[in-house]
Amino acid sequence: AAGVIQSPRHLIKEKRETATLKCYPIPRHDTVYWYQQGPGQDPQFLISFYEKMQSDKGSIPDRFSAQQFSDYHSELNMSSLELGDSALYFCASSRTPQETQYFGPGTRLLVL
Amino acid sequence: GESVGLHLPTLSVQEGDNSIINCAYSNSASDYFIWYKQESGKGPQFIIDIRSNMDKRQGQRVTVLLNKTVKHLSLQIAATQPGDSAVYFCAENPFSGGYNKLIFGAGTRLAVHP
Repeated sequence: AAGVIQSPRHLIKEKRETATLKCYPIPRHDTVYWYQQGPGQDPQFLISFYEKMQSDKGSIPDRFSAQQFSDYHSELNMSSLELGDSALYFCASSRTPQETQYFGPGTRLLVL
Repeated sequence: GESVGLHLPTLSVQEGDNSIINCAYSNSASDYFIWYKQESGKGPQFIIDIRSNMDKRQGQRVTVLLNKTVKHLSLQIAATQPGDSAVYFCAENPFSGGYNKLIFGAGTRLAVHP
C-alpha cells in the first residue's frame, strides 16, 4: 500500500540558512500534519492542513511556515535556521481530520 | 493542561512473554487514543486505536485497554517477539475544533531478549 512520502530524507544546513521539507500524503488523504521530534523526545505537533487550508497550529516558530497545495502535498519552509532546529520532522496524513494519522519516514535535519 | 505520559520509560522482556505498556492521560475530554510503534530512524507506525465509548479493543497479538475512570491506557502485546523491540508511544486526540491534532506521551522503550 502507498505510504506517506517525505523528501529529502536527510538535510544538512548552516545556521541562518533556509530549508524546505516536502510531504506527499497517501492518495485520497486530504489532511496533512507536521510534527517535530527532537533527540529522545516525543513528536510535537507543529501545524496541520485540511483541504489546503490551515486547520490547526501547535508549537511552530514564527520562522517556519507551511502550506498545502492543490495536489494535497505540503511543504514546510524553515528560515533563519538555528542549532535547536536539528530534529526529525515527520509528516502524517489522514483520509479525513477525524481518522487515523499515518506517518511518513521523516526528514532528519541537522543544523551546523 | 493537556498531557499524556507513561509510567515506565524502559521495559525489558523475554521473547515469548507478554508485554504490558502503560500510559496515563490527563484530558478527560479526549475521546480517541492511539498506540504507535517507532523503530530507530523511522516514523511512528500505527498499531491500534480505541475510542472512548469502548474499554477494550483487540488486534493481531495486541490489545488496548482504556480505563476512563482513572484515565489510564495500556497496550498488551502477546508472545512478544524480537521484532517488537521499539519505542512505543501513546497519543491522545482531544479533537480540538474537530481536527486530529495528536498529543504524544514520552514513549516507552521495549527491549525483547532471546
